[in-house]
Amino acid sequence: LAKTTQPISMDSYEGQEVNITCSHNNIATNDYITWYQQFPSQGPRFIIQGYKTKVTNEVASLFIPADRKSSTLSLPRVSLSDTAVYYCLVGDGGGATNKLIFGTGTLLAVQP
Amino acid sequence: KAGVTQTPRYLIKTRGQQVTLSCSPISGHRSVSWYQQTPGQGLQFLFEYFSETQRNKGNFPGRFSGRQFSNSRSEMNVSTLELGDSALYLCASSLAGYSAEQYFGPGTRLTVT
Repeated sequence: LAKTTQPISMDSYEGQEVNITCSHNNIATNDYITWYQQFPSQGPRFIIQGYKTKVTNEVASLFIPADRKSSTLSLPRVSLSDTAVYYCLVGDGGGATNKLIFGTGTLLAVQP
Repeated sequence: KAGVTQTPRYLIKTRGQQVTLSCSPISGHRSVSWYQQTPGQGLQFLFEYFSETQRNKGNFPGRFSGRQFSNSRSEMNVSTLELGDSALYLCASSLAGYSAEQYFGPGTRLTVT
């Protein structure tokens, strides 16, 4: 099973860009990289998913280097409401399943 | 369209009892996965159902079981409850396929006393 390593916590201020890096040294060839956001007592919410290079949507960008052993979630101009836990996940490398392996996540605290 | 719904939202049970939790996926989604979240262990995968068949299972004892109905609704059952089963139980649905985007419900908060 692929595993991920993220910083336990990060601090930022409103209006700043935040970059959260995730290591996944054992990522399999057919694995995608997915990021979720979770607020207290709520289910995780999908943010972005990618396979290689760069992916951008309306809320975030995902940068994946050529070796795919790491990835960086970029949140532009964060606000207080972005305070949450962010999880980096990779596929379990085993066929058509929807089994997500969550790590400990990164607690992002945005201050005014 | 309506999101994933879970019932009940909160539940208090006594050790030794059993409990059944329900999850209604987004319309058209055929895959339903269940997760347990605790402060100590984080989010852990329980099992996934696809078209009424269990497709994958996490490392939980046999006291944890589930099923999926023909309308894709799913239930999770925990028998002989233990104090350590107190947790937030989340279900997630997705269309199908590998590592597809999953939509999570609000969860059921189970407290075992």
